[in-house]
Amino acid sequence: QTVVTQEPSLTVSPGGTVTLTCASSTGAVTSNYSPAWFQQKPGQAPREMIYSTVKKWSWTPARFSGSLLGGKAALTLSGVQPEDEADYYCLLYCGGAQHWVFGGGTKLTVL
Amino acid sequence: EVQLVESGGGLVQPGESLRLSCAASGFTFNNYYMAWIRQAPGKGLVWLANIKEDGSEKYYVDSVKGRFTISRDNARTSLYLQLTSLTVEDTAVYYCVREFDSWGPGTLVTVSS
Repeated sequence: QTVVTQEPSLTVSPGGTVTLTCASSTGAVTSNYSPAWFQQKPGQAPREMIYSTVKKWSWTPARFSGSLLGGKAALTLSGVQPEDEADYYCLLYCGGAQHWVFGGGTKLTVL
Repeated sequence: EVQLVESGGGLVQPGESLRLSCAASGFTFNNYYMAWIRQAPGKGLVWLANIKEDGSEKYYVDSVKGRFTISRDNARTSLYLQLTSLTVEDTAVYYCVREFDSWGPGTLVTVSS
């Protein structure tokens, strides 16, 4: 049973840079896991910001970037804006019986 | 514009069943795999099930296998989730999702006696 782990909470100052990570209990995260990142603001449905590790949608601000870092999937926000305050979830394709697994989420505070 | 609108949620008692529906519009429905994802109050996201474009393959998270059934009607551009043997732990907002890039607003299922 794969467990996907994220930092429970992070705080960043406006204009700063922050990196959120996503680890798998089964080992290093690779592009085969098709990491995706979702932003969820209070009372709203999640929105996919990054898919296939690094790809962005038209609505994804340029300050959002995805990568693999030290065996984990990573989401980096550079030049953080107050509107980036939200919960962020990563999603990994784990295959087999579990198929897709979400991380527990990171609550990002911009302060 | 892609639109996904869930319906069918509500208050049910433990052990009861419910059928959720998702009406899709704004895209060619039978070109996309679809999924259901849920979120318990104050908790994180949980992927529940996927269904292939033509409905030929379905995948479920272990915790709902045998209790929940995903299906689709491409002619009606609709996605469904049949929930049976509901427990209080199934209380959540249920989201209809297109390949993870588009989400409906969700429908709340509350299981309580």
